[in-house]
Amino acid sequence: ELKVEQNPLFLSMQEGKNYTIYCNYSTTSDRLYWYRQDPGKSLESLFVLLSNGAVKQEGRLMASLDTKARLSTLHITAAVHDLSATYFCAVDGYRDDKIIFGKGTRLHILP
Amino acid sequence: ETGVTQSPTHLIKTRGQQVTLRCSSQSGHNTVSWYQQALGQGPQFIFQYYREEENGRGNFPPRFSGLQFPNYSSELNVNALELDDSALYLCASSPDVYQETQYFGPGTRLLVL
Repeated sequence: ELKVEQNPLFLSMQEGKNYTIYCNYSTTSDRLYWYRQDPGKSLESLFVLLSNGAVKQEGRLMASLDTKARLSTLHITAAVHDLSATYFCAVDGYRDDKIIFGKGTRLHILP
Repeated sequence: ETGVTQSPTHLIKTRGQQVTLRCSSQSGHNTVSWYQQALGQGPQFIFQYYREEENGRGNFPPRFSGLQFPNYSSELNVNALELDDSALYLCASSPDVYQETQYFGPGTRLLVL
């Protein structure tokens, strides 16, 4: 059974600092997703990573995928307050069409 | 704005009742998935429909059922509501079954008393 673990679950950081959120998953997967969710809102798609070594960047966020290690990272560069949100990774189970989410990382960036 | 709409936005029901939640996908999106998100948790996969057929199911009992219609709308039905069914219900649509990108609706917040 596919399991997805994120860490840390909570992160409070100062503006201007860099940090990384980690997403580990337990079985082979076709693809990995990163989403952002603001309080009381739906999910916003950030990245879809499709292959080993894939790296995608948008603004201060960069996501990477290592399928051999079953690990994805979401790196935040020079954090700003507007990036405060909950970030989820989700993994598409190989051949079973289920997308399994991690518990999320609640990110709070202090001005 | 993802082009995916859900109704109603909020709903209050009592234990034992039945509820129907609705989702309207973007035109051309053949795949729709439904998720349950309890407070403070990640979304849990309920099921997926592709071209009006169920195409995968998570660990939810049969009292959770769904339909997908040719006009890119879909329904989630929950019978015999329990208190633990209180959650945000999200639908997400994709242009194909490979779900390279999912577009989430705003969700329906269900409270069961």
